[in-house]
This record gives sequence, C-alpha cells and structure tokens, in this order.
Amino acid sequence: DAGVTQSPTHLIKTRGQHVTLRCSPISGHKSVSWYQQVLGQGPQFIFQYYEKEERGRGNFPDRFSARQFPNYSSELNVNALLLGDSALYLCASSFVGEPWNTGELFFGEGSRLTVL
Amino acid sequence: GIQVEQSPPDLILQEGANSTLRCNFSDSVNNLQWFHQNPWGQLINLFYIPSGTKQNGRLSATTVATERYSLLYISSSQTTDSGVYFCAAGTYKYIFGTGTRLKVLA
Repeated sequence: DAGVTQSPTHLIKTRGQHVTLRCSPISGHKSVSWYQQVLGQGPQFIFQYYEKEERGRGNFPDRFSARQFPNYSSELNVNALLLGDSALYLCASSFVGEPWNTGELFFGEGSRLTVL
Repeated sequence: GIQVEQSPPDLILQEGANSTLRCNFSDSVNNLQWFHQNPWGQLINLFYIPSGTKQNGRLSATTVATERYSLLYISSSQTTDSGVYFCAAGTYKYIFGTGTRLKVLA
C-alpha cells in the first residue's frame, strides 16, 4: 500500500513568490496535517484538516493557508514568501481526526523549500 | 500549551551499546509517538504509545502517562541507528520535542 505522498520533493523560490505543496494521504485516512521543520529543530504544527474542514491551526501567519479536497488530498499554500519560510514541509495523515484525538500520524517524505 | 522535552540532546555510542532516551511532557495527552528521522528528512514511525510498553526487535518503549514521561530503549545499537529521534505528544496536534541526536560509531 502506498504511504503518504508529497510533491514536489524539492523546490526553489524567490522572496515574494507563492508556493503550493501537495499531499496525498494513505488510502482510508481522512485527516491530513501539515508541519514545518526548520533546520535543527523539531517539526511545528501548521494545520489539521478532517473531512475537508479545518480542525486546527498553529501559530503561523495568514500567508499560510490550506485546503482538503473531496478525495482527502490536501494543498498547503504560502504567499509572499520570506527567507524564513525555507524549511522542510511535512504532511501527515491519520485515520481519525476528532478535535480531541488525531490518532497515530504517518508522515510523507516532505517537500524541501528554499527561498532565495 | 503542551511542552515536550527530550534528553539527552546528543548521544554518542559504540556499536553494540545500549541506550535510553527520555521524553517528558507537561500535560495529559491522547497521543504519543516516537520517530526516527533519517538523513533525508523522513520521519519513520517507531512506536505509537500513549501508554504501556511495546517492543519491536532491538527497540522498545514505555510510556507512564500518569507521570508524564516516555522512554525509548535501543539495545545492541548499530551504525544504522544513527540519526535524530523525536518524541511527539498531543491531542489533535502533536508537539515535538527538540530531538536526541544519536551517533553510533563502528
């Protein structure tokens, strides 16, 4: 069975540009979460979506947005890129997505974004 | 919010040695996982262990939820065990610790 797949794997953008990252969850998983990992740190929570609704948002500016599609895949969008947005963006899926319990997370390989 | 602390931050071992990694969390949680991050950045699931004890080969983990800590045991370490080990805990969102960087020397 396919795991969580993310695209693109690597990309380079310049300041001020916009980026869209994509994620396909494990078949049967209805919850998708996004995390940002800056070099040398642990991942930080950005968003969680369950059944196409936003269930949680981390401490990130409004330049970050996301959505989940009817097939449970998801996109993360970042506008007006800053140098500090350079990071590994990780998508995770899980079977459950209640506000009080997201269950076990399974991560994709990530999208490594470099902003010049 | 929940805080997750890991210790030690760095660990160097000779091949064949045993080690214990610790994770403390500040509040009750529904979920707790241990991950190994490989050099390419992928987070590999080791254990989903909100409570109790689990074992998988040379690795085992124990979470004592009432005392808010979890331990990851690595026995007979191998060079392939090198990398960063993360503990993450939470409810709808996971809070990650800062990781333990393990290097196993041949």
